[in-house]
Amino acid sequence: DQQVKQNSPSLSVQEGRISILNCDYTNSMFDYFLWYKKYPAEGPTFLISISSIKDKNEDGRFTVFLNKSAKHLSLHIVPSQPGDSAVYFCAARSGSSGSRLTFGEGTQLTVNP
Amino acid sequence: KAGVTQTPRYLIKTRGQQVTLSCSPISGHRSVSWYQQTPGQGLQFLFEYFSETQRNKGNFPGRFSGRQFSNSRSEMNVSTLELGDSALYLCASRFAGSSYNEQFFGPGTRLTVL
Repeated sequence: DQQVKQNSPSLSVQEGRISILNCDYTNSMFDYFLWYKKYPAEGPTFLISISSIKDKNEDGRFTVFLNKSAKHLSLHIVPSQPGDSAVYFCAARSGSSGSRLTFGEGTQLTVNP
Repeated sequence: KAGVTQTPRYLIKTRGQQVTLSCSPISGHRSVSWYQQTPGQGLQFLFEYFSETQRNKGNFPGRFSGRQFSNSRSEMNVSTLELGDSALYLCASRFAGSSYNEQFFGPGTRLTVL
């Protein structure tokens, strides 16, 4: 049972344009969502998070939107830079699960110069 | 502040052997979680330790075990290795205060089982 899904395995955008990565979830008990970026042979790096009581959180070029009714969240990167090329993971946590995160499958973002 | 460190970074073992992986969390972080990453299954939660106690466990067989020491450092052990145990094993730590806060991951240990 895949509770967190990232339906696009890959995304390619031009430098300077907007990158939009999407994530859907099924477990309505999730109360906190995170995005991580991962380069090959490295651990995931935390990017940005959002609590379920909010619908938007912004940090520099990164903005996460949460639509609870649709059980959908998205990560916007504006403007995209070649250094943003990596695999992006969406993750979710429920209040009863402590530190346990449920991850999506990841989306490979490629930003072309 | 130093990040999460994991040792060793790479390991090659044969089927039937056992292996121990080590994780040192960020200073002050009391919660340590372990994850397995494989191409087919993605990132899967193994277990979490907090104050030397296992607080949460994922759906892995009993061959996978762990422990945490009083200084919050954690070890993970896999006994009777199988080919399917080949994966990147990631450790993550967080402060674990009154409200939820983010986990920070180490670089991982790449385990290859031959």
